[in-house]
Amino acid sequence: GENVEQHPSTLSVQEGDSAVIKCTYSDSASNYFPWYKQELGKGPQLIIDIRSNVGEKKDQRIAVTLNKTAKHFSLHITETQPEDSAVYFCAAGGGAGNMLTFGGGTRLMVKP
Amino acid sequence: AAGVIQSPRHLIKEKRETATLKCYPIPRHDTVYWYQQGPGQDPQFLISFYEKMQSDKGSIPDRFSAQQFSDYHSELNMSSLELGDSALYFCASSWGAGTYNEQFFGPGTRLTVL
Repeated sequence: GENVEQHPSTLSVQEGDSAVIKCTYSDSASNYFPWYKQELGKGPQLIIDIRSNVGEKKDQRIAVTLNKTAKHFSLHITETQPEDSAVYFCAAGGGAGNMLTFGGGTRLMVKP
Repeated sequence: AAGVIQSPRHLIKEKRETATLKCYPIPRHDTVYWYQQGPGQDPQFLISFYEKMQSDKGSIPDRFSAQQFSDYHSELNMSSLELGDSALYFCASSWGAGTYNEQFFGPGTRLTVL
């Protein structure tokens, strides 16, 4: 089955700095890569996703890049704000069935 | 906008008891997914349903069963509860069961087994 690894597990940045979170996946058949933000006591919320036919996607301060050959994808958050502090999960889907396989999560702390 | 509704939000059970978790998908969503998230861990896929039929099965123990009803709500039934079943259980819903169909997550049910 699919295996998704995510790094780093914790990330602390100063407000205004950029944050980068990286994920690798194992199943070359995976073709959908969403990123979720989870705040304390809440369910994961989709913040951006990318399909395998696209190398990069941007939405305001958030961007995701995908390298299918190397089987890795990354989340970039620019001009970080304290409200960006949360746990971020990458996921991969489309390989076998429609379930998502999540990475281990990154706890992002943005210091004011 | 309407979101995924899960009930109860918190549940405390004793070992060997049974529990039933309910999920009400976003209106017009026909696909439901169940995930289990242990403390400090990532969500693990359990099972999913599309149009009331099981579509995919993940790491769901044999002690657990689930179904989707005619109104598209779903229930996760858990029997012979063990301490290790203590976790957050999320339900997600989507319109269609395709790979690119965004999964909207509910607020979760926190199950504590004593």
